[in-house]
Amino acid sequence: DGGITQSPKYLFRKEGQNVTLSCEQNLNHDAMYWYRQDPGQGLRLIYYSQIVNDFQKGDIAEGYSVSREKKESFPLTVTSAQKNPTAFYLCASSLNPREITYEQYFGPGTRLTVT
Amino acid sequence: AQSVAQPEDQVNVAEGNPLTVKCTYSVSGNPYLFWYVQYPNRGLQFLLKYITGDNLVKGSYGFEAEFNKSQTSFHLKKPSALVSDSALYFCAVRDIRDSSYKLIFGSGTRLLVRP
Repeated sequence: DGGITQSPKYLFRKEGQNVTLSCEQNLNHDAMYWYRQDPGQGLRLIYYSQIVNDFQKGDIAEGYSVSREKKESFPLTVTSAQKNPTAFYLCASSLNPREITYEQYFGPGTRLTVT
Repeated sequence: AQSVAQPEDQVNVAEGNPLTVKCTYSVSGNPYLFWYVQYPNRGLQFLLKYITGDNLVKGSYGFEAEFNKSQTSFHLKKPSALVSDSALYFCAVRDIRDSSYKLIFGSGTRLLVRP
């Protein structure tokens, strides 16, 4: 899982509560990404950030928010507006995103369960 | 639109036999192609990539993949499967013309290697 850490590994929340997932990398990568993984659907991009203080919506951004105040950190908040938040969340990073040949490196993931 | 298809949800193979995990893609420009592996409750690990050059790409753990432009395929192969290769495999593509630098993932193929 390289130099990317995600915490916590498992997270349980009640419906209606916001929750923040942590992602930290020490790889000095410029770009960071958040994916959601559901069984049989592969990975879907939530948000991504190519540089500090800038981020873009991915394919399923509704109900989520992010910040990128530091190069090494890219926290994801799952808000109460997300209708089906229970999933496995993966954070990734890569070198300069303009060099699109660079592969992404993934963290170990956070499994969020909302009841 | 960019897309990746992994037509098999699961591939079963006996240990010692060759294995193939299929992937086809659709992009408007030239593709950059990647294979990742995921073990249970873990993040994705990079296996190999095709950017340009030789159509046969060698990667980690004895895996290789063959890029076939006419068939728009990038199948993952290994000459002799190990039980420890049992995992979930994802194919991913980037379109060289896509300025968002997004990585599009297939839905995944579960590989089961029986002793």
